[in-house]
Amino acid sequence: VQLQQSGAELVRPGASVKISCKAFGYTFTNHHINWVKQRPGQGLDWIGYINPYNDYTSYNQKFKGKATLTVDKSSSTAYMELSSLTSEDSAVYYCARRRNWDFDYWGQGTTLTVSS
Amino acid sequence: DIQMTQSPASLAASVGETVTITCRASENIYYSLAWYQQKQGKSPQLLIYNANSLEDGVPSRFSGSGSGTQYSMKINSMQPEDTATYFCKQAYDVPWTFGGGTKLEIK
Repeated sequence: VQLQQSGAELVRPGASVKISCKAFGYTFTNHHINWVKQRPGQGLDWIGYINPYNDYTSYNQKFKGKATLTVDKSSSTAYMELSSLTSEDSAVYYCARRRNWDFDYWGQGTTLTVSS
Repeated sequence: DIQMTQSPASLAASVGETVTITCRASENIYYSLAWYQQKQGKSPQLLIYNANSLEDGVPSRFSGSGSGTQYSMKINSMQPEDTATYFCKQAYDVPWTFGGGTKLEIK
């Protein structure tokens, strides 16, 4: 099992960015994909999850309107789009596979820097 | 939202020492508690789930216990490779929430 995330991004304030998470080694539609934010030296914030089987999503209220989760079943890839970016969105973003109620495999993380 | 209060924020332990990290939930989370280890520059890794079940491949010196609102993780005989930040996470109710982390170093 492996989750491979897209590379680091440097984007301007106000712009949007789409981060990808490609799954390998298991049946993609059998496990929810979660997204987690980690600011430098900070803790972990759960953003939300998507069920690749039926595209159902659940978001942390903190990230509603900020994050949009989608999947492409044909390529076993999950996406997270972040909009109206500010410096507060600069962080490392992780995707993670859910097994029962926990996250058993994580991507390597994508560093997002929002700066003009 | 369920708040997770983790302590201590940091500690240093000698090789061979026993280490205990605690997590308190703002309400009963009915054993829905996991512990993750994050080494510097790496992704978190699941160590313990359902409060006391060890994830496959995790050394047996790690253990978890607790119930209700109070949970703890113990490392019996600290090893240099256990240097990391440890997070608890409640899986009882969305939004799933993490503790603030405990940075564990070798003394």
